[in-house]
Amino acid sequence: DTTVKQNPRYKLARVGKPVNLICSQTMNHDTMYWYQKKPNQAPKLLLFYYDKILNREADTFEKFQSSRPNNSFCSLYIGSAGLEYSAMYLCASSRGLGGEQYFGPGTRLTVL
Amino acid sequence: AQSVTQPDARVTVSEGASLQLRCKYSSSVTPYLFWYVQYPRQGLQLLLKYYSGDPVVQGVNGFEAEFSKSNSSFHLRKASVHWSDSAVYFCAVSRDSNYQLIWGSGTKLIIKP
Repeated sequence: DTTVKQNPRYKLARVGKPVNLICSQTMNHDTMYWYQKKPNQAPKLLLFYYDKILNREADTFEKFQSSRPNNSFCSLYIGSAGLEYSAMYLCASSRGLGGEQYFGPGTRLTVL
Repeated sequence: AQSVTQPDARVTVSEGASLQLRCKYSSSVTPYLFWYVQYPRQGLQLLLKYYSGDPVVQGVNGFEAEFSKSNSSFHLRKASVHWSDSAVYFCAVSRDSNYQLIWGSGTKLIIKP
């Protein structure tokens, strides 16, 4: 089974409110990623967990948090949503870094 | 530093015609190379990958790609496209298994009837 699941598939949030997105995988992959994807742009890596170690990109360091309570689950948390956070959020997992990544279907976040 | 360039933002092809989507990379070593596809309202799916060996790799749905070290390229090809191939295609590279993926900006493929 090469499935990565994401919940919810669609999320509507108000400006200034928190948002929590969930991802799970059953492939026992040690690495899980969160990307932000906007139309006509490449996926933008926000952060990733390599095992229990969280790595956040420098330009998104203060905007996104994450937790990984066990190997299978990973969350993405936005403390205070802004209009610019409206995008598709993609979760992926892989065995190690740099190899083949398996993606979930994405969560489409709309901030109003 | 590594980089990936997909020079064509949009490509329009007639159904049944052949296809080539271009990808150029910059790397000091032979990288790992990938093509991913994003169908409308879906996540990304791996089409094919190159790690080493035969420079022509076969992927799903009749796609193939050819690695060229001399040209620093990894172009995607298909002999005969179908309307269901309409999607955005991303090329990605990594230095090896310890490095993150570097993504191209994507090429939107439009299939004309």
